[in-house]
Amino acid sequence: DTGVSQDPRHKITKRGQNVTFRCDPISEHNRLYWYRQTLGQGPEFLTYFQNEAQLEKSRLLSDRFSAERPKGSFSTLEIQRTEQGDSAMYLCASSPRHEADQETQYFGPGTRLLVL
Amino acid sequence: AQSVTQPDIHITVSEGASLELRCNYSYGATPYLFWYVQSPGQGLQLLLKYFSGDTLVQGIKGFEAEFKRSQSSFNLRKPSVHWSDAAEYFCAVGAYNDYKLSFGAGTTVTVRA
Repeated sequence: DTGVSQDPRHKITKRGQNVTFRCDPISEHNRLYWYRQTLGQGPEFLTYFQNEAQLEKSRLLSDRFSAERPKGSFSTLEIQRTEQGDSAMYLCASSPRHEADQETQYFGPGTRLLVL
Repeated sequence: AQSVTQPDIHITVSEGASLELRCNYSYGATPYLFWYVQSPGQGLQLLLKYFSGDTLVQGIKGFEAEFKRSQSSFNLRKPSVHWSDAAEYFCAVGAYNDYKLSFGAGTTVTVRA
């Protein structure tokens, strides 16, 4: 299966700790997105990469959130000094480079974060 | 700014009955429209999408959706539901060269035997 993969699938941490999540997009997809989904809501856009360039990050929830995609392949999302309000599902998606389908986003299974 | 409304929070349907999920959007440009399905604890799976052309689109798992520009709607339908269709369904809107999708709050579908 060559879908989007995310690691870990579940993370439990204590308030104040840092956490990092990894996303591996579908092979040769050049666009990568991060979303956050809280209980009972639809996903909320956080940030977007085209290749290694982070083209939109104003929607990151605070300066405690950062994302990287250093070689244009996998990406990481880091949350520093976690708070209980950060508890959510963090979803990664990717989309292909060819123009006819570049707006179609394919999602991974998500990382569920619980901050105690 | 774009927005998506899914008026029904929860729908219960009998197995074998038809299903229709409503989606209304607000978007200044020509919208690209999507339906995704999410099983508990899982990511989102793309059911179907509309970019242009025929306003009735077919998707996976026997689902279809119809784009009605005059009503700003993109409702999802299935003629006969299966117990495995129990899940949460999300409508989303995007546009050409717009990097983000805006999602509705979702509709939870319960299928009773």
